[in-house]
Amino acid sequence: GIQVEQSPPDLILQEGANSTLRCNFSDSVNNLQWFHQNPWGQLINLFYIPSGTKQNGRLSATTVATERYSLLYISSSQTTDSGVYFCAVLNHNNAGNMLTFGGGTRLMVKP
Amino acid sequence: NAGVMQNPRHLVRRRGQEARLRCSPMKGHSHVYWYRQLPEEGLKFMVYLQKENIIDESGMPKERFSAEFPKEGPSILRIQQVVRGDSAAYFCASSPIKLATSTDTQYFGPGTRLTVL
Repeated sequence: GIQVEQSPPDLILQEGANSTLRCNFSDSVNNLQWFHQNPWGQLINLFYIPSGTKQNGRLSATTVATERYSLLYISSSQTTDSGVYFCAVLNHNNAGNMLTFGGGTRLMVKP
Repeated sequence: NAGVMQNPRHLVRRRGQEARLRCSPMKGHSHVYWYRQLPEEGLKFMVYLQKENIIDESGMPKERFSAEFPKEGPSILRIQQVVRGDSAAYFCASSPIKLATSTDTQYFGPGTRLTVL
């Protein structure tokens, strides 16, 4: 099956700093989502972005489908950005319709 | 429009007991997915269901686990004779149609955290 790898696995930032999280995948995809899992365990949809670039406030994401990677940018980080960021993909060969998740990037933003 | 609902949010069971987890999809959604998240790990797919049908259960353990999505009522994930290794967060997601043929996304519920003592 498709492999999804995220980097870095852990990241510590000072409040106000910017960061880039990366998601590499091993096959072509027709669905890619970024999620934030907050410290209470809730999964929050950030972006649906199988290709191109999207922005939402301080967050933006870019997927280059032909090169099989996606990037999540966090600017002017805040302590509330802490948590785990997951990317998940659905690939063309997957008749079963399930998302395959990466291992996540654990982000801690210090005040 | 209410989101995906799961209950209970927290469930404690002793080894050997049964656990029943419920998921009500978003209104208008007929596709339900269950995922499991072990501590410090990402989510892993378990099963994909439509009303009254299991479409893909390739991620389900072969024994003790079962899932259903009846014509009326929520989807149920049932774990019989629970063991400590079943302790995890179980997430349900829903979508209106088959994702491989659409540009829609899966919408996740808040999860049920199962603790087996």
